[in-house]
Amino acid sequence: DVKVTQSSRYLVKRTGEKVFLECVQDMDHENMFWYRQDPGLGLRLIYFSYDVKMKEKGDIPEGYSVSREKKERFSLILESASTNQTSMYLCASKKRTSGWNEQFFGPGTRLTVL
Amino acid sequence: AQSVTQLGSHVSVSEGALVLLRCNYSSSVPPYLFWYVQYPNQGLQLLLKYTTGATLVKGINGFEAEFKKSETSFHLTKPSAHMSDAAEYFCAPLLWGSYIPTFGRGTSLIVHP
Repeated sequence: DVKVTQSSRYLVKRTGEKVFLECVQDMDHENMFWYRQDPGLGLRLIYFSYDVKMKEKGDIPEGYSVSREKKERFSLILESASTNQTSMYLCASKKRTSGWNEQFFGPGTRLTVL
Repeated sequence: AQSVTQLGSHVSVSEGALVLLRCNYSSSVPPYLFWYVQYPNQGLQLLLKYTTGATLVKGINGFEAEFKKSETSFHLTKPSAHMSDAAEYFCAPLLWGSYIPTFGRGTSLIVHP
């Protein structure tokens, strides 16, 4: 069974802390994505990666950075967490071969910043 | 700007009733179209997709959607709602010139006994 896993389901951090969210996929997918999900706003793309060591900004990259050192792993970094980054974070991956390939999503990490 | 609209943030139906979740997109060129479902405390999973060919697409759990180019719509339907259908549903067209689907704001389906 194909899988996208995220390091934590729930995370509580304090303002100003550096936060790492990890995502791992076992499908040999080239493309990986980080979204945040907020009520009434749907999914908003933070960053995506075409392939190893490649990254592109999404719609809301401010306050975030990413790292993709290995094909299977895509990390989201909050350099200095703030309360407005309290949200659900979803990771997804997709095979690159064509645009109509579906995205596979992880279960999400619910982050609370106090 | 190209966009996607899901009409109604919440839709409430009785068990056994017809389910209709609306999705409209703005694009001069027909896109690829996806519907995803998110059950409580889970990530999203693909419900169905339209790429080319037959405009009526069947998905999992008895859902289907029809691509109507003239109406720029891709509404999701199910003839008879089940309690287990209660979830958040997202329409996500892959719009012309884009590599990544654009997600709608989602519609929460509530099913009453």
